[in-house]
Amino acid sequence: QVQLQESGPGLVKPSQTLSLTCTVSGGSISSGNYYWSWIRQPAGKGLEWVGHIYTSGSTNYNPSLKSRVTISLDTSKNQFSLKLSSVTAADTAVYYCARGSGLRGYSYGQFDYWGQGTLVTVSS
Amino acid sequence: SYELTQPPSVSVSPGQTASITCSGDKLGDKYACWYQQKPGQSPVLVIYQDSRRPSGIPERFSGSNSGNTATLTISGTQATDEADYYCQAWDSSTEVFGGGTKLTVL
Repeated sequence: QVQLQESGPGLVKPSQTLSLTCTVSGGSISSGNYYWSWIRQPAGKGLEWVGHIYTSGSTNYNPSLKSRVTISLDTSKNQFSLKLSSVTAADTAVYYCARGSGLRGYSYGQFDYWGQGTLVTVSS
Repeated sequence: SYELTQPPSVSVSPGQTASITCSGDKLGDKYACWYQQKPGQSPVLVIYQDSRRPSGIPERFSGSNSGNTATLTISGTQATDEADYYCQAWDSSTEVFGGGTKLTVL
């Protein structure tokens, strides 16, 4: 059974960098046709895809966030990470990590495993 | 950028059939997925690749996708199905979610 768990600071100051890590257990992040994704949800609002990294290490990001987002893999720790720079109050949200499926260069979405989510608040 | 449009809310009586639509340009040419999210919980995949159900999802959940519209159908709706539902598809190297539909079981 695959499990995902987000970790990181719950409070980030405006203009600083938000950093989160997702630890994956029950499977290797470097094998299979999977897209390891970050998805966020502001309070009372819908889901917004932030970006993902394929098992090969290739990435795709939400165009509206692309200039500020970096997602990376740490295969030695079976983790993947999110960095979002120059944050503002608009980045306050519950951040989920999730596993998606697909072929290299073509995602099926299909987010079948999710973390419990972690609330990140941007405030001074 | 690609957009997926869902009705904000749908109401259904217990035991009846609920249909939630998701519209997008040529959506039928893409794979559509559906997620159920209850308050305070992470989303759960209920339909993938247009019409497939993950293990553990009740048979009353079904999906279709053709033309510009994907539809999630819940037959014999139960009170436990009350939740927010999101459609999702992949377009131009981007995962796109619909705005969500709140299903109310009256």
